[in-house]
Amino acid sequence: NAGVTQTPKFQVLKTGQSMTLQCAQDMNHNSMYWYRQDPGMGLRLIYYSASEGTTDKGEVPNGYNVSRLNKREFSLRLESAAPSQTSVYFCASSKQDVTGQSSGANVLTFGAGSRLTVL
Amino acid sequence: KNEVEQSPQNLTAQEGEFITINCSYSVGISALHWLQQHPGGGIVSLFMLSSGKKKHGRLIATINIQEKHSSLHITASHPRDSAVYICAVIGDMRFGAGTRLTVKP
Repeated sequence: NAGVTQTPKFQVLKTGQSMTLQCAQDMNHNSMYWYRQDPGMGLRLIYYSASEGTTDKGEVPNGYNVSRLNKREFSLRLESAAPSQTSVYFCASSKQDVTGQSSGANVLTFGAGSRLTVL
Repeated sequence: KNEVEQSPQNLTAQEGEFITINCSYSVGISALHWLQQHPGGGIVSLFMLSSGKKKHGRLIATINIQEKHSSLHITASHPRDSAVYICAVIGDMRFGAGTRLTVKP
């Protein structure tokens, strides 16, 4: 009963280094999302993938790239990390795309989060 | 100004009290989520609603689409309800900053 699995849970980077956050879901969900959570600001959508083969920018996409590798996996890459990218990152999935019509299939399932610190 | 505003930001209650957390939004929505973030950081979805009211155990969520307002109520609060509660609007995927609830025994 894994749900949404994110790795790594913790990472410390130096400015300019690159890294990839991995996310996988085993619920046969179509849509996947990457969010960042900063104190006092709430969750903000970085990128999402409404279905396999598609990706779209969210509210704060600058400095990030994503890959929807297959239906299960959605990775987030920081090519050149900056201190402003210090945050907690959450991956989530839903059966259907939450940016469209609402239905019971829009319920989001979140991963446990990845805490990234950029020095 | 955040398009999704929650109040209060922080809330401390005694065990057994009735809790209300409010969410107001300025964007047009098709539905709204209420999420719970545990002290350890994990986030779970409590409700998704587009009209009226939903109830799950001691939790009740209401929404008024015309007034662009939703409330989350907790009856007979318990220390295990201590968490951050977040509302999020479907469609625009905007999240409130969260309400930190502490329930004291």
